[in-house]
Amino acid sequence: DQQVKQNSPSLSVQEGRISILNCDYTNSMFDYFLWYKKYPAEGPTFLISISSIKDKNEDGRFTVFLNKSAKHLSLHIVPSQPGDSAVYFCAARARGSQGNLIFGKGTKLSVKP
Amino acid sequence: SAVISQKPSRDICQRGTSLTIQCQVDSQVTMMFWYRQQPGQSLTLIATANQGSEATYESGFVIDKFPISRPNLTFSTLTVSNMSPEDSSIYLCSVEGLGWRGTYEQYFGPGTRLTVT
Repeated sequence: DQQVKQNSPSLSVQEGRISILNCDYTNSMFDYFLWYKKYPAEGPTFLISISSIKDKNEDGRFTVFLNKSAKHLSLHIVPSQPGDSAVYFCAARARGSQGNLIFGKGTKLSVKP
Repeated sequence: SAVISQKPSRDICQRGTSLTIQCQVDSQVTMMFWYRQQPGQSLTLIATANQGSEATYESGFVIDKFPISRPNLTFSTLTVSNMSPEDSSIYLCSVEGLGWRGTYEQYFGPGTRLTVT
């Protein structure tokens, strides 16, 4: 049973517009959520994280929103750039479970010029 | 953030052989983590490598198949033993960190792409 789900395998967005990547989870013991960007043949690059006690965290063009009651989080990228085209992974860490991130299967974002 | 390097970046190996993957971090860390990403799947934790003690393995992974060394606070190796085609995956090293706002972060190396024929 998948504890972290990214239901959209792909997303296409026009350059300059907003990209919204979604993630759902089932485990209420998750205390941190992280987003990664991955290019082919490279390891995942950390983008942004959010603690379960927060509902929003912002870093430059990237904002993560957490809705605990819905067990849902989203990553907003504004404005989207062609260089943002990559696979984005949502991951979660359970309280007390150091280093053990549970990953979603990823969403491939394509930003078209 | 931590800078992590891995060697080799990729390899093609014959079944029945073993491959040792090296991971080097640019700062001292207490714990290092080894992950695997099988084709079309998401990343899965194999084991946690602590300096000075035996590694801790996740369910489904055993020391005989994936022996790990952790000789100091900046280096670890993972060996994939007696390989079969099912071991064809990307193997990644990872460490934890704290962001500038005190937020939890976790960083990954570039990965080792292993193909077993």
